[in-house]
Parts: sequence; structure tokens; C-alpha cells
Amino acid sequence: EPEVTQTPSHQVTQMGQEVILHCVPISNHLYFYWYRQILGQKVEFLVSFYNNEISEKSEIFDDQFSVERPDGSNFTLKIRSTKLEDSAMYFCASSPRVHSNQPQHFGDGTRLSIL
Amino acid sequence: AQSVTQLDSHVSVSEGTPVLLRCNYSSSYSPSLFWYVQHPNKGLQLLLKYTSAATLVKGINGFEAEFKKSETSFHLTKPSAHMSDAAEYFCVVSDHLDSNYQLIWGAGTKLIIKP
Repeated sequence: EPEVTQTPSHQVTQMGQEVILHCVPISNHLYFYWYRQILGQKVEFLVSFYNNEISEKSEIFDDQFSVERPDGSNFTLKIRSTKLEDSAMYFCASSPRVHSNQPQHFGDGTRLSIL
Repeated sequence: AQSVTQLDSHVSVSEGTPVLLRCNYSSSYSPSLFWYVQHPNKGLQLLLKYTSAATLVKGINGFEAEFKKSETSFHLTKPSAHMSDAAEYFCVVSDHLDSNYQLIWGAGTKLIIKP
């Protein structure tokens, strides 16, 4: 069964540094998402992406965050100047189309630790 | 505004006994509802979904959930727990508007299986 793959599984970065998290969505999916889960807290929506542009973003997704689909397969999340509070598990997801009854398929996540 | 409440942060059952994980939601529209499972150090896997068809939904690994509109509930059940069911379970709701589609997550319920 096709999977969403995320790399790296764990990223350790100094505060203030830039970090890029990588995702390869399922190949025939058109909609892509990033979520984060701070330790012990709920999963939170960050951003959705379709047709090479952001379709929706949450309040968390401020100017420090950006997303990109640099080629036909990768979908990246960049944090320009990391803060301690960015430490979390980041999940990428994809779906074939957007509709409320379409489940999103998730990767295994990247654990981001900011020192 | 939509919300999801998972009534128990932890549920502990003995292997071979029934499992009940409770979820209540609020939604302005006819919701789609999902249960996802997260095993330790793994991603989020879809267990089952309700999308306004049959109110009793069967999922993977012997789990099922019943949508009860009058009680605004979507509880997850399994007749007989297995050690491999130990994981965190998330109840998720989405709205029915195609243009503004976002998953709203419950806080999660950690299922502990006693031998």
C-alpha cells in the first residue's frame, strides 16, 4: 500500500537555525498538509497545500513557516529561525482530493528538537 | 465551532476483554468522523471513518464505531483486546464544506492492555 514518507525521523537543531522537514506524499494525491503535535498536546493543523499554493493555514503558521513543492514528489516545511517552542512532532499528510469524507494519509512524523 | 472531546485520557483493559473509547463531538453541519491510531514512534493510521452512510462503521483490526447523532457520540469499540492494540487513539471531526476543510482532533486516549 502506498505510504507517505517523512525524513528525517529525528532532527536536532540549535535555536535560531533554519530547518527543513521533508515529505514525499502518495504519488497520485493532490492535497498536502502539515500538522504538529507538541509533546502531551493535541495534534494541530498547520497548513494545507494544493496546486502549488497554500489553500489554508492556521494561526500557528506565521511568517517563520513556509512550504514548498520543489519538484513533482517532495513537499517541504521550512522553519526560518527556530524557537524552543517549535520542538514537536511534525506530521505530513496527503489526500487524493479535498472533501470532508476523504481521510488523510499520514507519514510517521519527524521529531524536531530545538536546543 | 467544531470540537471533539475524548472523555478518557487513559483506558486500561485486560487482554481478551472489550474495549470502549469514548468520543463526543460538536458540529454545525453533518460531520464526517474518523478514528486514527498512533503506535509508539509511528505515524497516524486511519482506523475507520463515518461519512453519513451506515451509522455502524467497521474498521481495521476488529475495531468498530457507532455514530449516534442524538448523543453526538462516536465511540470506538472492540470485542476483545489484543496486546498489539496498545497505542494512542484519536477521534477526529471534519466539516462538510469543500472549500474549508480541516481536521479537528481530540486530545487522544491512551489504551493500555494488561496481560
